[in-house]
Amino acid sequence: AQSVAQPEDQVNVAEGNPLTVKCTYSVSGNPYLFWYVQYPNRGLQFLLKYITGDNLVKGSYGFEAEFNKSQTSFHLKKPSALVSDSALYFCAVRARWGGYNKLIFGAGTRLAVHP
Amino acid sequence: DAGVTQSPTHLIKTRGQQVTLRCSPKSGHDTVSWYQQALGQGPQFIFQYYEEEERQRGNFPDRFSGHQFPNYSSELNVNALLLGDSALYLCASSAGTGRGLAGGTDTQYFGPGTRLTVL
Repeated sequence: AQSVAQPEDQVNVAEGNPLTVKCTYSVSGNPYLFWYVQYPNRGLQFLLKYITGDNLVKGSYGFEAEFNKSQTSFHLKKPSALVSDSALYFCAVRARWGGYNKLIFGAGTRLAVHP
Repeated sequence: DAGVTQSPTHLIKTRGQQVTLRCSPKSGHDTVSWYQQALGQGPQFIFQYYEEEERQRGNFPDRFSGHQFPNYSSELNVNALLLGDSALYLCASSAGTGRGLAGGTDTQYFGPGTRLTVL
């Protein structure tokens, strides 16, 4: 079965410090991996995706993610956190089923950046 | 360029009623997917529409149905509402995803959602 795990319900970090939000996945075949961010009472905003190629993917707002095939992980990172980064982050894997595609999401990790 | 739009923003219904939610995809997108996000959970896939047909369905009962129009906009209908249907309903659009092309990498872009409360 295809699945995504985000092992931390919440991550706390001080402003200016580096942040990491963890994600591991289980999928048949080559994984297509995504990170989305959700602000209160809003939809999901796309941050970045890994399809193939370089294991380090750069995305919006200074975020990046590192794909590690051997560890089946796709952790989200940012070198210097901002208070405005505080939000709910979702990792997703695109599953192939019946020839079409759907996204399978993790449960989400709440990021709290403190001044 | 407008992104994905959804209406209404909020809805309050009572058990047993029926509801229709609407979605307009991002310009240039032809595939619409619907997701249900219960409080404190990640979005769960309901179904996907492409070329006015339901192409894929998640683990949701037949009370959930949909439609896609020639202009690619879409509706989600839920009949016989239950308390457990209370959630944020998200629409996502993408380009070409519904064709199921091998190696297709189209990103799904989400609308702001419709918050449904069932009393």
